[in-house]
Amino acid sequence: AQSVTQPDIHITVSEGASLELRCNYSYGATPYLFWYVQSPGQGLQLLLKYFSGDTLVQGIKGFEAEFKRSQSSFNLRKPSVHWSDAAEYFCAVGAPTGYSTLTFGKGTMLLVSP
Amino acid sequence: GAVVSQHPSRVICKSGTSVKIECRSLDFQATTMFWYRQFPKQSLMLMATSNEGSKATYEQGVEKDKFLINHASLTLSTLTVTSAHPEDSSFYICSARLDRGQEQYFGPGTRLTVT
Repeated sequence: AQSVTQPDIHITVSEGASLELRCNYSYGATPYLFWYVQSPGQGLQLLLKYFSGDTLVQGIKGFEAEFKRSQSSFNLRKPSVHWSDAAEYFCAVGAPTGYSTLTFGKGTMLLVSP
Repeated sequence: GAVVSQHPSRVICKSGTSVKIECRSLDFQATTMFWYRQFPKQSLMLMATSNEGSKATYEQGVEKDKFLINHASLTLSTLTVTSAHPEDSSFYICSARLDRGQEQYFGPGTRLTVT
């Protein structure tokens, strides 16, 4: 069965500092990988996705993520965090068949300090 | 593009009554829609997968008679919480998927409070 681990429940970053949110997955092959962001009381917005090809994926809002097969990881990064980035971030995996469901990690809450 | 709406955004109902939540894909046709439940400060728990014109597939532990899902068209799926109880209070989120690929687009969620 596939699973996703986000080891950090919450992270605090100073505004302007860089950010890296960790995501590790367990799956028999290379899955489809996603990062979503959720603001309080809102639904989820897709930041970026990896299906195949270039392992460094660019997303919206200045985010990027790097797929590392050897480490079964898909960490999310941003070079300079803005206060508006404070939110909950979810990593998700899906089977590369095109029609399966997604499995979400437990999420990482990002807090941005002035 | 790829906008998903939910209605209502929040609802308060009395214990024992039923509540219907609508999920609509506004600018695309979604052959598959998903219903999730999210408890405070927790991740999303998939409740069921809904395919247009067929019965929903429920995840283990989800009562199909309590959480009725109907996917009558390519743009509309509904979740009805029947005989609601306070423990059904939660944040319910739907998502819709384009015909191919894994990308799901999420609605803004519905906050259900059962008193």
